[in-house]
Amino acid sequence: QVQLQESGPGLVKPSETLSLTCSVSGDSISGYYWGWIRQPPGRSLEWVGYMFYIGRTSYHPSLESRVTMSLDTSKNQFSLRLSSVTAADTAVYYCARLRPHWGYWYFDLWGRGTLVSVSS
Amino acid sequence: AIQMTQSPSFLSASVGDRVTINCRASEGIRSNLGWYRQKPGKAPELLIYAASTLHSGVPSRFSGSGSGADFTLTISSLQPEDFATYYCLQDYDYPWTFGQGTKVEVK
Repeated sequence: QVQLQESGPGLVKPSETLSLTCSVSGDSISGYYWGWIRQPPGRSLEWVGYMFYIGRTSYHPSLESRVTMSLDTSKNQFSLRLSSVTAADTAVYYCARLRPHWGYWYFDLWGRGTLVSVSS
Repeated sequence: AIQMTQSPSFLSASVGDRVTINCRASEGIRSNLGWYRQKPGKAPELLIYAASTLHSGVPSRFSGSGSGADFTLTISSLQPEDFATYYCLQDYDYPWTFGQGTKVEVK
């Protein structure tokens, strides 16, 4: 059974960098796409971006200048870095596995999510 | 960015009811639409992708239809675990965008 688990600081100061890791168990991260989605408290979901295990990435245009995603196949983990954070970046961050299927895409496995608050 | 608008935003229903949730895109997205259920305090779960394809393991009471700009999620007989918030997600064009959600509450 494949499981995803987010980890990282729950509190980040404004202007600093948010760093999260998603640990994958039960399968290798190689060969798959992996993504991040976030949800501000009480609000809808927002797609942050995704990456393929060989390095191809796609980021939300509004975040592109601040986002970096990476993978560590040796640890079976993938990561999100979001720089120069503000209070607007406060959200539950979910990692998820992304599957392509004949021109369609879907997130079939999700982590439980981790709340990151931006505050001084 | 493509805007996704769900209706209604809130829906009151009882166990056994047939429930319909709509999602409209601000422009045509072919059949590039998925539906997700989010139970309170939990991560979203995939229900349907490609507008009408039931994800593996999802009960057959869920069905999806539509193409172009108008889509529907139908729950044929609402179960206790279906009281949740439902989101549509378009994967036709970047940035991928979610609807604002439809909360299904106990009547």
